[in-house]
Amino acid sequence: GNSVTQMEGPVTLSEEAFLTINCTYTATGYPSLFWYVQYPGEGLQLLLKATKADDKGSNKGFEATYRKETTSFHLEKGSVQVSDSAVYFCALRLNTGGFKTIFGAGTRLFVKA
Amino acid sequence: EAQVTQNPRYLITVTGKKLTVTCSQNMNHEYMSWYRQDPGLGLRQIYYSMNVEVTDKGDVPEGYKVSRKEKRNFPLILESPSPNQTSLYFCASSLGKGAYDEAFFGQGTRLTVV
Repeated sequence: GNSVTQMEGPVTLSEEAFLTINCTYTATGYPSLFWYVQYPGEGLQLLLKATKADDKGSNKGFEATYRKETTSFHLEKGSVQVSDSAVYFCALRLNTGGFKTIFGAGTRLFVKA
Repeated sequence: EAQVTQNPRYLITVTGKKLTVTCSQNMNHEYMSWYRQDPGLGLRQIYYSMNVEVTDKGDVPEGYKVSRKEKRNFPLILESPSPNQTSLYFCASSLGKGAYDEAFFGQGTRLTVV
């Protein structure tokens, strides 16, 4: 079946450290891939997306590249800030089978000043 | 402002007392869905709707009902809530059903059933 696996958290980093959150997926067909971010007390909001293999999504200094050969979509940022503390969800969406978005379990990031 | 609005934000109720969580979007989106978020499980889809009067079950539909009488509204109904439905609920909408369409989320409803 279709699924998303992302690294367990929490991840704790110091300000200006490099961030990687791993995400791999299993899917039939050709999904689009997304990273959503959830700040405390809020709903999820789109961080970035990629719709086909080798696409790179980027936003607010975050990047992720759609790697079909390794079925991965790892999230990276070169220098994190305290304001990046949140829960990050990797997700995929297919254009079949109910067209739903399938989410990973989420990775909580804490950034210390 | 483009948004998805859920009400209420917080709700404590007793087992068996029917409740409705409302969801409304102002973006003329076709596709709407409900998710529940539980620790360690991410978001799981409860029900979705591809247009007015078209709804279908997601992964965890037991104990829930939905309706889509108007394009903008997609209420979630718990006819007889039980404690295992204590969770954080999110309504989401997207422009269509295309794989590239991002989802827009409401602020969430934290439900406690005692």
